[in-house]
Amino acid sequence: DSGVTQTPKHLITATGQRVTLRCSPRSGDLSVYWYQQSLDQGLQFLIQYYNGEERAKGNILERFSAQQFPDLHSELNLSSLELGDSALYFCASSVAGQGAYEQYFGPGTRLTVT
Amino acid sequence: AQRVTQPEKLLSVFKGAPVELKCNYSYSGSPELFWYVQYSRQRLQLLLRHISRESIKGFTADLNKGETSFHLKKPFAQEEDSAMYYCALSGRAGAGSYQLTFGKGTKLSVIP
Repeated sequence: DSGVTQTPKHLITATGQRVTLRCSPRSGDLSVYWYQQSLDQGLQFLIQYYNGEERAKGNILERFSAQQFPDLHSELNLSSLELGDSALYFCASSVAGQGAYEQYFGPGTRLTVT
Repeated sequence: AQRVTQPEKLLSVFKGAPVELKCNYSYSGSPELFWYVQYSRQRLQLLLRHISRESIKGFTADLNKGETSFHLKKPFAQEEDSAMYYCALSGRAGAGSYQLTFGKGTKLSVIP
């Protein structure tokens, strides 16, 4: 078990709604990364936070936002949901924010937008 | 821009046969490359990284900068190797930050 936890496991919601996904990193890890995995796009990097601050941005839509709290857990907020947002959302953590440190992945949250 | 290409979506081999999962990358700097594996109903986990040059579960991967490749190999496939394999590259995403870019993955199916 890598120690990264994500809640909820599954989420079903309607178009236009807003949801929040939560991630707790491994103990001692300061960086949190969010990824979206869909059948057609594969695993896409969304955003990284390091010790509470945004460190890197990938293919994240403006409707999506994230934050990392003082206790280092992170939340990914998805708003104005569209059918195409249905995907697996993974969180990963690593010990540092720079360099190619190993990332430890959570089990993912499966989002279904109907 | 960095890019990782895994040309095969699905690879089927017989148990005991050699396995080679292909990965090619595009990156202007000096890359850090990884192979991640996702077994059925499990989370993504690191299999190996090029910098450590180790063999995990019988798998090895050699970075070939001339061919910009990082193919994953195993001499004798086992049924428990059946999984989804992702090649990933860590490269600079901006000042002081790195981004992990994944290939689209290859599903390895080992036939008993």
